[in-house]
Amino acid sequence: AQSVSQHNHHVILSEAASLELGCNYSYGGTVNLFWYVQYPGQHLQLLLKYFSGDPLVKGIKGFEAEFIKSKFSFNLRKPSVQWSDTAEYFCAVRDSSASKIIFGSGTRLSIRP
Amino acid sequence: GAVVSQHPSWVICKSGTSVKIECRSLDFQATTMFWYRQFPKQSLMLMATSNEGSKATYEQGVEKDKFLINHASLTLSTLTVTSAHPEDSSFYICSARDPPEQYFGPGTRLTVT
Repeated sequence: AQSVSQHNHHVILSEAASLELGCNYSYGGTVNLFWYVQYPGQHLQLLLKYFSGDPLVKGIKGFEAEFIKSKFSFNLRKPSVQWSDTAEYFCAVRDSSASKIIFGSGTRLSIRP
Repeated sequence: GAVVSQHPSWVICKSGTSVKIECRSLDFQATTMFWYRQFPKQSLMLMATSNEGSKATYEQGVEKDKFLINHASLTLSTLTVTSAHPEDSSFYICSARDPPEQYFGPGTRLTVT
């Protein structure tokens, strides 16, 4: 069965700093990959997704992620964070032949103004 | 984009009572829906996969007799928490699949007193 690991549980950055959140998955087949964000008190929102094609995926709000198949990784990046990026970030994977999405444990991002 | 709604958005019930949560796909038909559970400051844990017209598939460790799922139509799935106890207090999130996309509802916060 597939699983997702997010090694950073809590990341604290200052505004304008660059961000990279790690995500590794374990599954040998073809996968779909996702990053979701959950702002305080709000519901889940899709930041970006990878199904196929260009491994560098651009999402909303200036976020991007790179799928590196050889490393089973799908790290999330943003060149310059803002205070409003304070939220919980979840990496998720779906076996492309199945339908269910499995979530990582999440990374809490705190931005110092 | 497609919209998934949940009702109610929050509910408080007494221990021992049952609570029903509805999940609707508003502008598409979903043969497959999913139910997740999220404890405070934790990730989303998949509880079950709901297929229209057939029995739900529960994840390991989820009590199917306690969490009853009914997917009676292509736009509606319900989760009934039977004989609820305080430890069932959580945030319940549904998701509906419109291949290859999957859309998440806003969640239902259940508090059992």
